[in-house]
Amino acid sequence: GENVEQHPSTLSVQEGDSAVIKCTYSDSASNYFPWYKQELGKRPQLIIDIRSNVGEKKDQRIAVTLNKTAKHFSLHITETQPEDSAVYFCAASEGWEGSNFGNEKLTFGTGTRLTIIP
Amino acid sequence: DAMVIQNPRYQVTQFGKPVTLSCSQTLNHNVMYWYQQKSSQAPKLLFHYYDKDFNNEADTPDNFQSRRPNTSFCFLDIRSPGLGDAAMYLCATSRDRASEDIQYFGAGTRLSVL
Repeated sequence: GENVEQHPSTLSVQEGDSAVIKCTYSDSASNYFPWYKQELGKRPQLIIDIRSNVGEKKDQRIAVTLNKTAKHFSLHITETQPEDSAVYFCAASEGWEGSNFGNEKLTFGTGTRLTIIP
Repeated sequence: DAMVIQNPRYQVTQFGKPVTLSCSQTLNHNVMYWYQQKSSQAPKLLFHYYDKDFNNEADTPDNFQSRRPNTSFCFLDIRSPGLGDAAMYLCATSRDRASEDIQYFGAGTRLSVL
């Protein structure tokens, strides 16, 4: 099955600086890579995602890059703000061959606790 | 407006006493997922329904069962909760399969086992 590794597990960044979180995956058939942000005691929320036919995607201060050859993807947050402090999870879709495509699932990375230092 | 609703937000049960957690959705999504999340860990998929088709993860204990009586509702039944089952349980939905559509999470039910 798919295995997603995420680094670092904790990251502290001065407010205004950039933060980068990296993930690697094992299943070359994976084709969808979302990033979720989870604040303390709250639900995971999608912040950005990327598909395998795209190398980079940006949304304001957030960007994601994907290297399919190397099987890694990264989250970049620029001009960090205190409200960016949270746990971030990467994930990869694990597709299933055959007719039962309905049993696809996401495999999550282990999470990165990002702390923005004012 | 909440689109994936989980009840209750907090649930306390006794060791070995069956408990049911509920999830409802207003999105009319085909897929509903149940995740277990322990402190400082990633959500761990227990099982999911694609419409009426049930997909169980190989490492999900038999102690965990699920029901989906209709499109809107999905239940997680823990037949004999142990202390190790104390966790946050997250329900999520997606319109279509995982590689095609994003998952929307509910606020979760935090289960305590005494």
